[in-house]
Amino acid sequence: DQQVKQNSPSLSVQEGRISILNCDYTNSMFDYFLWYKKYPAEGPTFLISISSIKDKNEDGRFTVFLNKSAKHLSLHIVPSQPGDSAVYFCAASSNTDKLIFGTGTRLQVFP
Amino acid sequence: KAGVTQTPRYLIKTRGQQVTLSCSPISGHRSVSWYQQTPGQGLQFLFEYFSETQRNKGNFPGRFSGRQFSNSRSEMNVSTLELGDSALYLCASSGQGAGDEQFFGPGTRLTVL
Repeated sequence: DQQVKQNSPSLSVQEGRISILNCDYTNSMFDYFLWYKKYPAEGPTFLISISSIKDKNEDGRFTVFLNKSAKHLSLHIVPSQPGDSAVYFCAASSNTDKLIFGTGTRLQVFP
Repeated sequence: KAGVTQTPRYLIKTRGQQVTLSCSPISGHRSVSWYQQTPGQGLQFLFEYFSETQRNKGNFPGRFSGRQFSNSRSEMNVSTLELGDSALYLCASSGQGAGDEQFFGPGTRLTVL
């Protein structure tokens, strides 16, 4: 049973435009959400997080939105750059229990 | 501060063999978690060790085991390897625990023939 789902395996965006990566979850007990970025041959690196008491968190070009009623999380990257091309994983945890990861979305930013 | 290191980076084994992977966490981190990454499955949590004790466990068979030493270094062992065990095994450390921000190592790519 996949508690965290990323239904789009891939996304292609032109440089300078907005990239929107989506994530849905089923467990209403999740209270902490994170996004990770992964380049080939490297481990995932932390990007941005949000707790369930907020609905938005920004860090530079990256903004994470949380819609608790819809159990939906999204990551916005504006403007997208070629260096953003990577696999993005969303993850969630409940009460500091283990992180549950989605299956990832491969983002390609083309010139 | 040095990051999480994992050895070896690549490993080829045959079915039925066993394998041991090693992970050195960020200095000061006491929580070490292990994940398996396979295409289409994302990162699957294996287990977490904190202060030499397994604190959390995922849904993997008993062939997958681990341990943590007093210096927080951790090892993961897989016995009686199966073809389906071929994956990228990632180790992550945290100053808090498995549910908080994890710092990942580069992973060990295991291929079972």
